[in-house]
Amino acid sequence: EIVLTQSPGTLSLSPGERATLSCRASQSVSSGYLAWYQQKPGQAPRLLIYSASSRATGIPDRFSGSGSGTDFTLTITRLEPEDFAVYYCQQYGSSPLFSFGQGTKLEIK
Amino acid sequence: QVQLQESGPGLVKPSETLSLTCVVSGYSISSGYYWGWIRQPPGKGLEWIGSIYHSGSTYHNPSLKSRVTISVDTSKNQFSLKLSSVTAADTAMYYCARVEYSTSLAPWGQGTLVTVSS
Repeated sequence: EIVLTQSPGTLSLSPGERATLSCRASQSVSSGYLAWYQQKPGQAPRLLIYSASSRATGIPDRFSGSGSGTDFTLTITRLEPEDFAVYYCQQYGSSPLFSFGQGTKLEIK
Repeated sequence: QVQLQESGPGLVKPSETLSLTCVVSGYSISSGYYWGWIRQPPGKGLEWIGSIYHSGSTYHNPSLKSRVTISVDTSKNQFSLKLSSVTAADTAMYYCARVEYSTSLAPWGQGTLVTVSS
């Protein structure tokens, strides 16, 4: 079973700063099938990035994803107040077919 | 645009079967895509439960497989989840979602909270 480990657990930054979130897999992610989601309190997750680096429809270009193999990164340039939330990474392809990291909380400093 | 809405009992007794339905609007399930169920215990992370195609082909999380049944009703444009022999550990927000870009999940329903308690 593939395990996704996200770091840091909590990231404290100010609006306007740059955020770098990490997701490390215990084994190589199939064909780079890694996605990132944003979840705000009381809301369902929202897809931001798929296939490691492709932005989903309607996602601002300040969100970008990179990485391959076992190491992936979500970068948010110029943080906006609405970006403070919990972020999850998700892999596709290894058993179980979909699995998620434990999340990184991005909080206002 | 496509929208998903979960429905079902908010309270289920231990050892009973949890039953939820996800109604899809704005898109015909028969046209394609896989559809999935995901859950999130209060204050915790996300767990994929399983996915289904309009043909009825399914994939399940091995950790839950023996207790999970996922079905689709294309005439009602909805798909359903049954989870048997529930315990308090099955208390969670249950979401349905479409499998987008073949490898990710979007959009999601708003979720429905299911509590397992006597």
